[in-house]
Amino acid sequence: GQNIDQPTEMTATEGAIVQINCTYQTSGFNGLFWYQQHAGEAPTFLSYNVLDGLEEKGRFSSFLSRSKGYSYLLLKELQMKDSASYLCAALDSNYQLIWGAGTKLIIKP
Amino acid sequence: GAVVSQHPSWVICKSGTSVKIECRSLDFQATTMFWYRQFPKQSLMLMATSNEGSKATYEQGVEKDKFLINHASLTLSTLTVTSAHPEDSSFYICSAPEGGRNEQYFGPGTRLTVT
Repeated sequence: GQNIDQPTEMTATEGAIVQINCTYQTSGFNGLFWYQQHAGEAPTFLSYNVLDGLEEKGRFSSFLSRSKGYSYLLLKELQMKDSASYLCAALDSNYQLIWGAGTKLIIKP
Repeated sequence: GAVVSQHPSWVICKSGTSVKIECRSLDFQATTMFWYRQFPKQSLMLMATSNEGSKATYEQGVEKDKFLINHASLTLSTLTVTSAHPEDSSFYICSAPEGGRNEQYFGPGTRLTVT
């Protein structure tokens, strides 16, 4: 079956760095997405990785290892507004998104 | 990035009535749109894939006669919840991929409360 695993909840301190991990098992693979979702709002796109390696975009970076079925989202210089759920999703061979349950990130002052 | 809108943002209706939710791609054409449902503190659940000019594809366990989807144009898909019940109360979100790109852009969501 198809499966996405990510931690349920993480806590970090304002100004620090946090890494949110995601492992996936899908029928075929066409890329890995990270979305941010604040409570009561729709998800917003953060990143898309289809090749191995690290993609940096400002304070956020995303890493992919296709051979390991593994990705992480790295958030630097954490701000209170980064408190949200972070959703990992893999695109399978049918170009259907398989969603993880999301990681709730709590930022403390 | 691409913009997707939804209307209404929230709606309260009585049990047994029907509710229509619109999803529009504002600055691009979308031959495919996706409808999701999200219950509190749970992940997104794909309900159906809306295809312009053809029938929608429903996920297993989603009643196609209860959740009617119409994708009449390249910028508009509608989801009608028929004979709504309190258990249909949820956050309904649509998304669409822009052109040949893989990332999906989400509408702001519609919060449905059935009393």
